[in-house]
Parts: sequence; structure tokens; C-alpha cells
Amino acid sequence: AQSVTQLDSQVPVFEEAPVELRCNYSSSVSVYLFWYVQYPNQGLQLLLKYLSGSTLVKGINGFEAEFNKSQTSFHLRKPSVHISDTAEYFCAVSDGETSGSRLTFGEGTQLTVNP
Amino acid sequence: GAVVSQHPSRVICKSGTSVKIECRSLDFQATTMFWYRQFPKQSLMLMATSNEGSKATYEQGVEKDKFLINHASLTLSTLTVTSAHPEDSSFYICSANGGQGRYYGYTFGSGTRLTVV
Repeated sequence: AQSVTQLDSQVPVFEEAPVELRCNYSSSVSVYLFWYVQYPNQGLQLLLKYLSGSTLVKGINGFEAEFNKSQTSFHLRKPSVHISDTAEYFCAVSDGETSGSRLTFGEGTQLTVNP
Repeated sequence: GAVVSQHPSRVICKSGTSVKIECRSLDFQATTMFWYRQFPKQSLMLMATSNEGSKATYEQGVEKDKFLINHASLTLSTLTVTSAHPEDSSFYICSANGGQGRYYGYTFGSGTRLTVV
């Protein structure tokens, strides 16, 4: 069985400040990790993913995440946030590498960027 | 990139009626699609896994007779909420995995806001 824990339900920051959204996972199989962003009343948009290779993954909109196997973490970071980054962020882990593999989501972190 | 189209984006229906939500993969074939339900301020809850040409696999606690899923082709899956009641009001999202290898990943539809009055 696999699970995802997002350690912060809400993260308020000021514009242009750095931010880190924390995610820990547990999985008994190979790990495929994802970060998604959701704006109000919309579906999920992929920010980045870790499948294999380099542990530092760069995504869209200036976000990056680092896969740390020993700490079972996949924290999301951005060096300077904008007002437009205000949204809900979800960390997820896949239980395999086939099209039928299921995603397990964390509870989400609401990032609020204040002027 | 992979695109999943979900329709309608919003629907209001009367209690007791049925509503159909469509999920289409536009530029790839999806042998498996996933249906989620999301309550306000909460994460996504997997309802069922939709398999092309066969019966859907429902998660524990999800009523298969209430939420009918059909996956008739490699690009279309539908979710029908039958005899809808106000407690079925929610945000429903579909997704599909259209890639292999380095392109492996899940693409989500834009969601359907269902309101039952």
C-alpha cells in the first residue's frame, strides 16, 4: 500500500518570497511521484514528475522538487512566488508504471501568496 | 501533449434525474480512465477505474448502480449519475494516463461541477 502526507494544509507567503511545500510518501514498490496544481473550479495541471534519473526535477512555472529516497520526501520549491501561484497543490504517488496504475493523492496544500 | 476533454463543465439537475458526464482523450488512446470526486477543500477521492471494453472497477463504498461508468472506446469514458440527489452534488474529475516511459503521466479533465436541486 502507498500513502502520501502533505505536512502543511495551508501555506501563506508574501509575493517574491521563496516557498517550500512538503510531501512525504510511503510505498512498497517503485516510486513515481507527481506534483499537481489546481485552480478554483478547474482540473489538475501537472507541475512536475519524478520517474527516474536525476533527483532534482524541474517543472513548469519555475517550480522544482527534489526526490529524497532516504527521507521518503518529494518537497516542492519555488525561489520567488507570484500572486498567480495562489492555488491548491497536490502531491501524488503512482503504484506502477502502466496506464492502469492508480494515483494516491495527499490532502493538498493551499498556497496563498499575499502582496 | 496529452489532452483530456471533460464535458459539461457545469450542470444543474433536478433531484431524481440522471446526468451524464463525458471524458475524452483527444490525442491519445486511453485503455484506462479514472473517475474522481472532490468535495470542497478536500483532496480527490478515486471512485472507479474505467477499463475499455470491460466493466469498471469501483472503489469500496462507491455505489456502482448509482454511478454508472461506460468505456466504450479507447477515447471515451462516461459517468452517469443516476437518480441524482442533493448529496451527489460535487466536483467530478476524470483522468487518463497517455504516456509510456519518460512520457508516463496522468492528464486530467477540467472537471464537472454537478449541482442537484
